[in-house]
Amino acid sequence: GAVVSQHPSWVICKSGTSVKIECRSLDFQATTMFWYRQFPKQSLMLMATSNEGSKATYEQGVEKDKFLINHASLTLSTLTVTSAHPEDSSFYICSASSLVITRADTQYFGPGTRLTVL
Amino acid sequence: GENVEQHPSTLSVQEGDSAVIKCTYSDSASNYFPWYKQELGKGPQLIIDIRSNVGEKKDQRIAVTLNKTAKHFSLHITETQPEDSAVYFCAARLKLVFGAGTILRVKS
Repeated sequence: GAVVSQHPSWVICKSGTSVKIECRSLDFQATTMFWYRQFPKQSLMLMATSNEGSKATYEQGVEKDKFLINHASLTLSTLTVTSAHPEDSSFYICSASSLVITRADTQYFGPGTRLTVL
Repeated sequence: GENVEQHPSTLSVQEGDSAVIKCTYSDSASNYFPWYKQELGKGPQLIIDIRSNVGEKKDQRIAVTLNKTAKHFSLHITETQPEDSAVYFCAARLKLVFGAGTILRVKS
């Protein structure tokens, strides 16, 4: 149980285009979803926290107009990188937590999406 | 805000030996401390966690200890196997603040 998927697993796009990444909780309803970014050989950095039906809370330094987050249902959150540039190339990972299956503080991570902007 | 420091950054052990990774945190209000294992190109996988009302937790070859007074917690892996080789991250609190990660290499 507690499986989180991401799609796509990798994407290559041209500079200036937008890319959408989906995060789904497959077998549970996620109260909260989190989006992280991980650069090579570095740790995970939280970008934003989203709760279903409400606006995401962005971490300091993360541009909310550039990284659009939509959490339309309890099983789906999307991250859209708008007008992507090479410096946005990174490994994007989502996680989900649920009050139903466990205490709220346990996060289950997706497999990640490798974004390369040319 | 919370700050988490993790040591060592790289750890090499012989198969069968034990591995210990340590983390310190700054926010005394933090009450949840998970450990994640990340294999190359994959998302982090929760391997064990501990809450502040417990001093030690064990799950087969993996154990975590927590010292709230000193604000540090440690991951212990006994009888290491080659498949334990990965990057291990500690984290603190609900809004997870991750340590920098430890590359564990188990030599067979």
